[in-house]
Amino acid sequence: DQQVKQNSPSLSVQEGRISILNCDYTNSMFDYFLWYKKYPAEGPTFLISISSIKDKNEDGRFTVFLNKSAKHLSLHIVPSQPGDSAVYFCAAVGGGFKTIFGAGTRLFVKA
Amino acid sequence: KAGVTQTPRYLIKTRGQQVTLSCSPISGHRSVSWYQQTPGQGLQFLFEYFSETQRNKGNFPGRFSGRQFSNSRSEMNVSTLELGDSALYLCASSLKTGGTETQYFGPGTRLLVL
Repeated sequence: DQQVKQNSPSLSVQEGRISILNCDYTNSMFDYFLWYKKYPAEGPTFLISISSIKDKNEDGRFTVFLNKSAKHLSLHIVPSQPGDSAVYFCAAVGGGFKTIFGAGTRLFVKA
Repeated sequence: KAGVTQTPRYLIKTRGQQVTLSCSPISGHRSVSWYQQTPGQGLQFLFEYFSETQRNKGNFPGRFSGRQFSNSRSEMNVSTLELGDSALYLCASSLKTGGTETQYFGPGTRLLVL
């Protein structure tokens, strides 16, 4: 039972355009969400997070949007750069403090 | 400050064997979590240790076990290896327990079971 779903295994975007990565969750007890980025042969690195009391959090080119009623969050990268090409994992935290990760979306940013 | 280190980086074992993976967290971090990453499954939570105590456990069989030492270093053991245990095993450390703490990941140990 996947509580955190990233339904797009991959996404291809032109350099300079917006990348939108989506994530859906099923457990309404989740109250904190994170995005991690992973390059090959490296461990994931933290990118940005959002608490359930907010609906938007912005950090430079990265913005995370949370729609609690739809149990949906998205990561926007504007403008996209070739160095953004990586696998992006959505993660959710709720009661019990376990972090549940999605399957990841591989982003390709074409120059 | 040195990052999270994991040893070994690569490992090949055969079915039925056991394996021990090691993780050294960032200095000062007391929480260590272990994850299994397989294609299409993302990162599956194995367990979390904080101050030598297991705080959380994922849905893995008892063949998967771990421990944490007084210096916060952690080991993960998998007994009676199965082909399906082939995966990237990631360790992550954070200052405190609780999922809102940013986790810092090591590079992982890639295990291949033949």
